[in-house]
Amino acid sequence: GENVEQHPSTLSVQEGDSAVIKCTYSDSASNYFPWYKQELGKGPQLIIDIRSNVGEKKDQRIAVTLNKTAKHFSLHITETQPEDSAVYFCAASRTGGSARQLTFGSGTQLTVLP
Amino acid sequence: DADVTQTPRNRITKTGKRIMLECSQTKGHDRMYWYRQDPGLGLQLIYYSFDVKDINKGEISDGYSVSRQAQAKFSLSLESAIPNQTALYFCATSKGTDTQYFGPGTRLTVL
Repeated sequence: GENVEQHPSTLSVQEGDSAVIKCTYSDSASNYFPWYKQELGKGPQLIIDIRSNVGEKKDQRIAVTLNKTAKHFSLHITETQPEDSAVYFCAASRTGGSARQLTFGSGTQLTVLP
Repeated sequence: DADVTQTPRNRITKTGKRIMLECSQTKGHDRMYWYRQDPGLGLQLIYYSFDVKDINKGEISDGYSVSRQAQAKFSLSLESAIPNQTALYFCATSKGTDTQYFGPGTRLTVL
């Protein structure tokens, strides 16, 4: 089955700096890669996703890059703000059958220092 | 997401007790999922359901059962709770294979 590894497990940055979180996956057939943000006491919320037919996607201060050859994808947050502090999860899945079964990374605790 | 609700939000129970966690959604989605989250780990899929008549096991289904009472309701049961089932439990929904939307979670403690 799919295995997703996520690094680092914790990350502290100064407000205004950039943050990068990296994930690798094992199943070359995976073709969908979402990123979720989980704030304290809440469920994970999708912040951005990318499909295997593109190499990069941006949404304001957030971007995701995908390298299919190397089987890794990354989340980039620019101009970080205190409200970006949360746990971030990457995930991977493939279409096939009729369910999208997500395999999650272990999470990154991001702290943005004011 | 307020469209996916879970009850209870917190529960403390004793070893051997039967417990049910409930999930309801108003998003009109056909698919529903139950995940477990342990500290320092990602979310692991317990069970998922395509529709009322379709239930499938996930990667960690042992010790759990589910019931899809209606399109909008999906409950998770622990028939005889054990301490290593102490965790955060999340329900999620999706329309087909689109984005999964998560509920706020239930914190379960088994003593």
